[in-house]
Amino acid sequence: QQQVKQSPQSLIVQKGGISIINCAYENTAFDYFPWYQQFPGKGPALLIAIRPDVSEKKEGRFTISFNKSAKQFSLHIMDSQPGDSATYFCAASTPWGGYQKVTFGTGTKLQVIP
Amino acid sequence: EAGVAQSPRYKIIEKRQSVAFWCNPISGHATLYWYQQILGQGPKLLIQFQNNGVVDDSQLPKDRFSAERLKGVDSTLKIQPAKLEDSAVYLCASSPGTSGDGELFFGEGSRLTVL
Repeated sequence: QQQVKQSPQSLIVQKGGISIINCAYENTAFDYFPWYQQFPGKGPALLIAIRPDVSEKKEGRFTISFNKSAKQFSLHIMDSQPGDSATYFCAASTPWGGYQKVTFGTGTKLQVIP
Repeated sequence: EAGVAQSPRYKIIEKRQSVAFWCNPISGHATLYWYQQILGQGPKLLIQFQNNGVVDDSQLPKDRFSAERLKGVDSTLKIQPAKLEDSAVYLCASSPGTSGDGELFFGEGSRLTVL
């Protein structure tokens, strides 16, 4: 019930195209859904996040779409650039024993080709 | 603002040997996490500290892994004895408090190779 399922495992997109990564969850207690971006040799860094009371959040070229009834959320990268090539992790956070417990998806390796 | 510091960045050991990793979180962050990231997988929580107390160690293999956070600041993660399947990147992260938006600030990780 704590799992977050992420797909696809890898993604190749042409420069200027749209990259779409999907995640699904089961635990309805999750109340915060961040996306992390990880470059090789670096730790993950927060990219964008959403709470379940909104259906969409946009920051620059990055948009999260959230479907509470389907328990799914997705990351859209518009006008994908070679510099976006990285591994992306969705995550879900839930209050747990007075603290936040964060569960990560399995990751999507994005390659943007010129 | 300085980020999360981890050392060493790389470590190669033989199986059954021991290894220790060190983490210094962002100043003032109360919560510290150790994650294990196996190649091609997402980070898996090993242990979570609130100040110097453990709040979640349910996925820590306690027969070989141990962790402590002295004085609620720095933390060390130890593996003894190491197994081949412990080869992974060990990520330390910190966050400001006990609740809120759940944003984690990660270090660059310590890559362990067990031969």
